[in-house]
Amino acid sequence: DAKTTQPPSMDCAEGRAANLPCNHSTISGNEYVYWYRQIHSQGPQYIIHGLKNNETNEMASLIITEDRKSSTLILPHATLRDTAVYYCIVRISLNQAGTALIFGKGTTLSVSS
Amino acid sequence: DVKVTQSSRYLVKRTGEKVFLECVQDMDHENMFWYRQDPGLGLRLIYFSYDVKMKEKGDIPEGYSVSREKKERFSLILESASTNQTSMYLCASSSWDLIKEKLFFGSGTQLSVL
Repeated sequence: DAKTTQPPSMDCAEGRAANLPCNHSTISGNEYVYWYRQIHSQGPQYIIHGLKNNETNEMASLIITEDRKSSTLILPHATLRDTAVYYCIVRISLNQAGTALIFGKGTTLSVSS
Repeated sequence: DVKVTQSSRYLVKRTGEKVFLECVQDMDHENMFWYRQDPGLGLRLIYFSYDVKMKEKGDIPEGYSVSREKKERFSLILESASTNQTSMYLCASSSWDLIKEKLFFGSGTQLSVL
């Protein structure tokens, strides 16, 4: 399975963009990149996922490099409620039966006013 | 709203007890998962199931077993609880659409084994 590397912690000022990096240099061509976040005392919550192209939804944007060895999750206007642990996850596609999401330690994002 | 319900928010058990952690989802999802979360270690996958009566080991299955007799229910069993199984346990479910897989998590069960 491909592994991911994230910085353990990051700070961001409220209203500014939060850019969370993730390295996945061993990613395979059919592996997706998923991002989840976990707010204190809650279960993780899905944010976004992508394969090759950049993706955007109501929560965030995902930028994947052309060689797919790294990606960045962007929260365009961070708020205090975005303070959470953010997990970057790579999983194998449906050609590999019996797989599941493998979470790492994530990045603790602290948004301050 | 989708819902994954874990039977207890907090649980205190004694060493050697048999412990059942229950998880129920109301979304007709095929896939269900059990994770444990410990400070500094993140979430670790214990077991998962892709269908009724089917189970797959995750990264740390030792000391645990699971049961999936009905599609909506996935139970985690600690046959003989030990203090190193004190942890936050999180259950999740997802549909069998692997391209757009989203896990829906319960609120967790904080288990303390004394």
